[in-house]
Amino acid sequence: QKEVEQNSGPLSVPEGAIASLNCTYSDRGSQSFFWYRQYSGKSPELIMSIYSNGDQEDGRFTAQLNKASQYVSLLIRDSQPSDSATYLCAVYNTDKLIFGTGTRLQVFP
Amino acid sequence: DGGITQSPKYLFRKEGQNVTLSCEQNLNHDAMYWYRQDPGQGLRLIYYSQIVNDFQKGDIAEGYSVSREKKESFPLTVTSAQKNPTAFYLCASRPLGRQNEQFFGPGTRLTVL
Repeated sequence: QKEVEQNSGPLSVPEGAIASLNCTYSDRGSQSFFWYRQYSGKSPELIMSIYSNGDQEDGRFTAQLNKASQYVSLLIRDSQPSDSATYLCAVYNTDKLIFGTGTRLQVFP
Repeated sequence: DGGITQSPKYLFRKEGQNVTLSCEQNLNHDAMYWYRQDPGQGLRLIYYSQIVNDFQKGDIAEGYSVSREKKESFPLTVTSAQKNPTAFYLCASRPLGRQNEQFFGPGTRLTVL
């Protein structure tokens, strides 16, 4: 079982819709969770961090954490074509981040 | 202007040659990391360091070597022992502590001819 799992996609949503990306993790003791956005050919960019159960909002982005179910999600409201990218979920484990393989999001006009 | 710099952006190497990729940060971060990313794949950890003069192997350390002589610098050498070195190499850094965030440099794209 992979430590951090994501659906590879692509997830296709129309412009203006809500995109929902999900991530599950195996280590129940994990405490810190991050979402990165990676455009093709570029390096990952940190967009959200979440440390406690519930929601964390920043602009059009909302990260949701449910430690009992061991999942983290990222909601993107009012999706734009510029949101088209790969989204990486990362979980802090002891002394390093464990990354999922990413979900590719496509927002079409 | 704080951040993480990697050089060069593109690097071409002949088979059998060693090559060193540079990573420098002026964020005063303790920990530094090297990842490899292949087309359409996730990030794989090569080496990481939490303190000067100390480093640990990641998941795919074979064929690579690193040094951490200064807090700001964490160069990666891709040796001739690495069988498939063509990839996108990413350096990252973060302060120590579980809630501290990790940031990436712009990456170096290595191509073996």
